[in-house]
Amino acid sequence: DAMVIQNPRYQVTQFGKPVTLSCSQTLNHNVMYWYQQKSSQAPKLLFHYYDKDFNNEADTPDNFQSRRPNTSFCFLDIRSPGLGDAAMYLCATSEGQGGDEQYFGPGTRLTVT
Amino acid sequence: SQELEQSPQSLIVQEGKNLTINCTSSKTLYGLYWYKQKYGEGLIFLMMLQKGGEEKSHEKITAKLDEKKQQSSLHITASQPSHAGIYLCGADRSNYQLIWGAGTKLIIKP
Repeated sequence: DAMVIQNPRYQVTQFGKPVTLSCSQTLNHNVMYWYQQKSSQAPKLLFHYYDKDFNNEADTPDNFQSRRPNTSFCFLDIRSPGLGDAAMYLCATSEGQGGDEQYFGPGTRLTVT
Repeated sequence: SQELEQSPQSLIVQEGKNLTINCTSSKTLYGLYWYKQKYGEGLIFLMMLQKGGEEKSHEKITAKLDEKKQQSSLHITASQPSHAGIYLCGADRSNYQLIWGAGTKLIIKP
């Protein structure tokens, strides 16, 4: 089945140690999103790609970077994770940007020790 | 305060009972989405409302959009254990970004 896959589902990293989360999609969607969701809070958009065009949210820390080497894959790099970066990271895709349903992956829960 | 306010924050309902969750926006709604999230998982799309007065139903879940009130409601009839989870509303903004409410946690008591 077409879907959005995130790996790993659970990631533990040490304070300051770079970590990469991955997302892949079989939907051939143009847009891929990365959200951060902390406990009992709304998902917060970090950035999104429309095809190869990268769109960073104004309040996304520089510590967070993203790469999209091709249509199917998108990576979230956290250069120096802090304790406050512990959260669920959700990847989503949509066919277009306006008014299109977003399809979510199961998320990666990041723990920072 | 958040741009999208959901109420209640949490809800415990006896199985078989009806319930309503509300989502109120502080700005004009161009499009309103309802998603469901099981604990520790991604979001599953339920339905999207775009026009004032629009109402959509899927199985026992009905959502309505009141454009004038800048509000949407999600109504579940004859609740079942499978309805348990976190319900989030999301809204389109003019820059085609989705913003989210904080969610309503629904627990179904057997």
